[in-house]
Amino acid sequence: DAKTTQPPSMDCAEGRAANLPCNHSTISGNEYVYWYRQIHSQGPQYIIHGLKNNETNEMASLIITEDRKSSTLILPHATLRDTAVYYCIVRPRISGGGNKLTFGTGTQLKVEL
Amino acid sequence: DGGITQSPKYLFRKEGQNVTLSCEQNLNHDAMYWYRQDPGQGLRLIYYSQIVNDFQKGDIAEGYSVSREKKESFPLTVTSAQKNPTAFYLCASRRQDANSNQPQHFGDGTRLSIL
Repeated sequence: DAKTTQPPSMDCAEGRAANLPCNHSTISGNEYVYWYRQIHSQGPQYIIHGLKNNETNEMASLIITEDRKSSTLILPHATLRDTAVYYCIVRPRISGGGNKLTFGTGTQLKVEL
Repeated sequence: DGGITQSPKYLFRKEGQNVTLSCEQNLNHDAMYWYRQDPGQGLRLIYYSQIVNDFQKGDIAEGYSVSREKKESFPLTVTSAQKNPTAFYLCASRRQDANSNQPQHFGDGTRLSIL
């Protein structure tokens, strides 16, 4: 699976957009980009995923660059409840381990008043 | 409400005892997974099952066992052979379809502490 690189931490003011970057420069053509978040002492929560087109759902938007070597997760109006560790994961469409997910150390997003 | 239920949330056991963690899902998902998370680290796959009555070892299966007798249930037993069982255990499930890109959904975890 392609490796991902994320900044270890970011701060965001409440009500502003939070833009979380992820670098996946070795991504291959059949690999999807998934985003999850984990609030302390809870299980990871699925946010969004995409292959090459930008995606949007009720939680966030995912912007993938044309060369697919990086992506950005956008939380349009961050609230205090969005404070969490955000994980960017790249996984092939069909992969070993029953399509297991490989979580790195993610980005700790802190939303402040 | 549809979802994945892990119980109990906290579990304490004496060293040398086997302990079983429960995972139930009512999402009608075919695939289920067990991960382990240690402080400040990512998740590591213990076991997974893609169909009833079948399961496969993940990256760190030693000292663990599972069963998949029903679609909705995938219990994990932490045996006395597991050298360092204190951790946060997460169960996940996933719908399988032709696209194979369906996301995994997680329960809220069980925190196991060995006394």
